[in-house]
Amino acid sequence: AQKITQTQPGMFVQEKEAVTLDCTYDTSDPSYGLFWYKQPSSGEMIFLIYQGSYDQQNATEGRYSLNFQKARKSANLVISASQLGDSAMYFCAMRVAGTDKLIFGTGTRLQVFP
Amino acid sequence: DGGITQSPKYLFRKEGQNVTLSCEQNLNHDAMYWYRQDPGQGLRLIYYSQIVNDFQKGDIAEGYSVSREKKESFPLTVTSAQKNPTAFYLCASSMGTGLGETQYFGPGTRLLVL
Repeated sequence: AQKITQTQPGMFVQEKEAVTLDCTYDTSDPSYGLFWYKQPSSGEMIFLIYQGSYDQQNATEGRYSLNFQKARKSANLVISASQLGDSAMYFCAMRVAGTDKLIFGTGTRLQVFP
Repeated sequence: DGGITQSPKYLFRKEGQNVTLSCEQNLNHDAMYWYRQDPGQGLRLIYYSQIVNDFQKGDIAEGYSVSREKKESFPLTVTSAQKNPTAFYLCASSMGTGLGETQYFGPGTRLLVL
């Protein structure tokens, strides 16, 4: 079965510190893509970063990087230099080749404090 | 500005009533999606459309209907057959349906049952 697991319901981090949000996935298909989205309290889902299963290097987008460990089936999001505006829900999602849908995890609520 | 708009922001439904949620995009994207989000959960796919005049059921299509008469528009009707419609509804679009195609989301509609 294809599944995304986010085991941290909530995380706290101090401003300017780095934080890692965990994501593990389950699929037997060798071709897939992994996405991270941010959902602020307003509700809109904001795309952050993408990693393909065949990508050789870990994806990076500004302060966001994806720690992709294929053998462990993990795709953790690393946010460096946290800002107060980073406080939000964060969702990991997967798309398997040949399918049209994203499979989402249950999310992690990140709170950044001064 | 290019983007996805959803209306209304809040919608109230009476028992036995059908209601329609609007989703419009001006990104010239071919694919459009409807997701449902319940508290403490990730997003679940209701319907998606890869092209005008064609759409497919997602994981939780029962009690919902859609149409795709124009590329820009993908309205969702919540019918009286949907017994538990209270949720946050998110519309998304993507250029295509390839593995790495990012889905971009609208601001959402919160549906409440009176």
